[in-house]
Amino acid sequence: RKEVEQDPGPFNVPEGATVAFNCTYSNSASQSFFWYRQDCRKEPKLLMSVYSSGNEDGRFTAQLNRASQYISLLIRDSKLSDSATYLCVVNQAGGFKTIFGAGTRLFVKA
Amino acid sequence: NAGVTQTPKFQVLKTGQSMTLQCAQDMNHEYMSWYRQDPGMGLRLIHYSVGAGITDQGEVPNGYNVSRSTTEDFPLRLLSAAPSQTSVYFCASNRRQSSYNSPLHFGNGTRLTVT
Repeated sequence: RKEVEQDPGPFNVPEGATVAFNCTYSNSASQSFFWYRQDCRKEPKLLMSVYSSGNEDGRFTAQLNRASQYISLLIRDSKLSDSATYLCVVNQAGGFKTIFGAGTRLFVKA
Repeated sequence: NAGVTQTPKFQVLKTGQSMTLQCAQDMNHEYMSWYRQDPGMGLRLIHYSVGAGITDQGEVPNGYNVSRSTTEDFPLRLLSAAPSQTSVYFCASNRRQSSYNSPLHFGNGTRLTVT
């Protein structure tokens, strides 16, 4: 079983749609959580951190459920520019261990 | 502020050749790391360093060496290239303090093909 699992997609949605991505992690010792965005053939870039209380950044909302070891990302009012791969990332304290999910591909169409 | 700089952007090697991928950061980050990314897979950690003079193996270290003589530089050496090392390589850095809360800053990547 992979340590971080994501639905690979692709998700094909029209502009203006709301889309949700899910991610599960297997190690209960995981301490911090992020969503990264990766455009085709480019480096990953931090989209947002994920906090237990849930957090929002404009059209993006991230949620963490530690009991279920589950992370989500909600994108509202999708834009063409949101087309990318979204990576779920989990860090563990007590040493350098950053685990990446394989990513979920999103296509937003006009 | 350049961030994380990787060179070269593209490289083609023949099986058995050796080369060094360069990585430099100007953010005074203590932690640096190398990842490879293959289609359908997440980024996998090759080697990492928590400070100058200190390196350790990640998930997929075989066939690669690293050194960290300065805080700024973290080169990755391929000792004898194999087709299985065809991949996209990313260098990253982040802060040591509360490092597990510190997001990674990535370089632009090196696309390596081994024939």
